[in-house]
Amino acid sequence: GAGVSQTPSNKVTEKGKYVELRCDPISGHTALYWYRQSLGQGPEFLIYFQGTGAADDSGLPNDRFFAVRPEGSVSTLKIQRTERGDSAVYLCASSTGTTGELFFGEGSRLTVL
Amino acid sequence: GENVEQHPSTLSVQEGDSAVIKCTYSDSASNYFPWYKQELGKRPQLIIDIRSNVGEKKDQRIAVTLNKTAKHFSLHITETQPEDSAVYFCAAPLPSGYSTLTFGKGTMLLVSP
Repeated sequence: GAGVSQTPSNKVTEKGKYVELRCDPISGHTALYWYRQSLGQGPEFLIYFQGTGAADDSGLPNDRFFAVRPEGSVSTLKIQRTERGDSAVYLCASSTGTTGELFFGEGSRLTVL
Repeated sequence: GENVEQHPSTLSVQEGDSAVIKCTYSDSASNYFPWYKQELGKRPQLIIDIRSNVGEKKDQRIAVTLNKTAKHFSLHITETQPEDSAVYFCAAPLPSGYSTLTFGKGTMLLVSP
């Protein structure tokens, strides 16, 4: 596609439920990133994939968060036992891995009630 | 890890004035400093970046300056226009690569006609 695509754009769930957020990066971009943005804050780094492997997952806040990229393209961010504090916009970005520029998607807004 | 401080948090200027946003970082090994613009409800987009081997970079009405000794960098926008109104984020890299970034908290720039 022309840009990074994220689904769903909005997700409302109840505390304790499981959530999956999907990201389809720009074709040919080998690097994929997940960031989280809370209201009034800058994006917060969560995890970075180079190809199929997680090159840096140091930003994942705890073991309820997990992400995969099994074929080196689409990625899924998985959140177990959601908490109200998980409410945020989850941004996915991709890059060529050479210039540094991040191409962000429109984000998935997660609301945990 | 890297710590990025950004100020001011809000900046109001008249159309045609200049605007300056400043950031400091903590890791002296950091060597890449991007600036992202985020319009209301939109995705962040890279507007300019600088690498540590230069002190200044310009692109039309925007420029970024870097002082490695003092560990600070600044965004300069000249001849501001209403369409420059947005939130601007500075960032610096984590050790794992150019695009695993720590972002500042953002500056909301308001340009009045």
